[in-house]
Amino acid sequence: SQQGEEDPQALSIQEGENATMNCSYKTSINNLQWYRQNSGRGLVHLILIRSNEREKHSGRLRVTLDTSKKSSSLLITASRAADTASYFCATRGTGTASKLTFGTGTRLQVTL
Amino acid sequence: EPEVTQTPSHQVTQMGQEVILRCVPISNHLYFYWYRQILGQKVEFLVSFYNNEISEKSEIFDDQFSVERPDGSNFTLKIRSTKLEDSAMYFCASRAREAGIADTQYFGPGTRLTVL
Repeated sequence: SQQGEEDPQALSIQEGENATMNCSYKTSINNLQWYRQNSGRGLVHLILIRSNEREKHSGRLRVTLDTSKKSSSLLITASRAADTASYFCATRGTGTASKLTFGTGTRLQVTL
Repeated sequence: EPEVTQTPSHQVTQMGQEVILRCVPISNHLYFYWYRQILGQKVEFLVSFYNNEISEKSEIFDDQFSVERPDGSNFTLKIRSTKLEDSAMYFCASRAREAGIADTQYFGPGTRLTVL
């Protein structure tokens, strides 16, 4: 798999349910970030978790990071129709380079 | 809340033509980036820029591409001779330098480039 590969590729849930998306990566990282993209629009930064952190919360978002497994998960609790979007993880490698390497994304559909 | 802006939102051009995509990063940011996303694919890094020079570039960023910060506010991406495969959404991003928030990259809304 490539750096920043996510599963599932698509997820359909009902409003009020929780949504969990997973991201795997291959190389060592400085941090991992999650972004949301509404169809055809820009990338909105959601949350950043550093390599020395294991869990982070922001509102209805919960992110975990397991550096031993090179994986992260994004949990959205009590989902809303407005959460319908594509979600991407992006990793920043170690060293001086600051570029982000994006995953393939999970398309989340929240229905009423 | 400060945000990254990009113009135009959509650019249509003929193959072989030059295009310039413009970005206004967040005002106190010092690191600037261009990424692109071909329809249905993942976002790909093109180039990063700091202190008036390229700090890193990908293999996509060949001699047809150039970046410039012509003044204190704009950051541009030029494609000299566009190809059909350059059709994509191009995102500009910027990053601050302050400790604790330095790593978050803020993205603009994108410019959709269509090469005919």
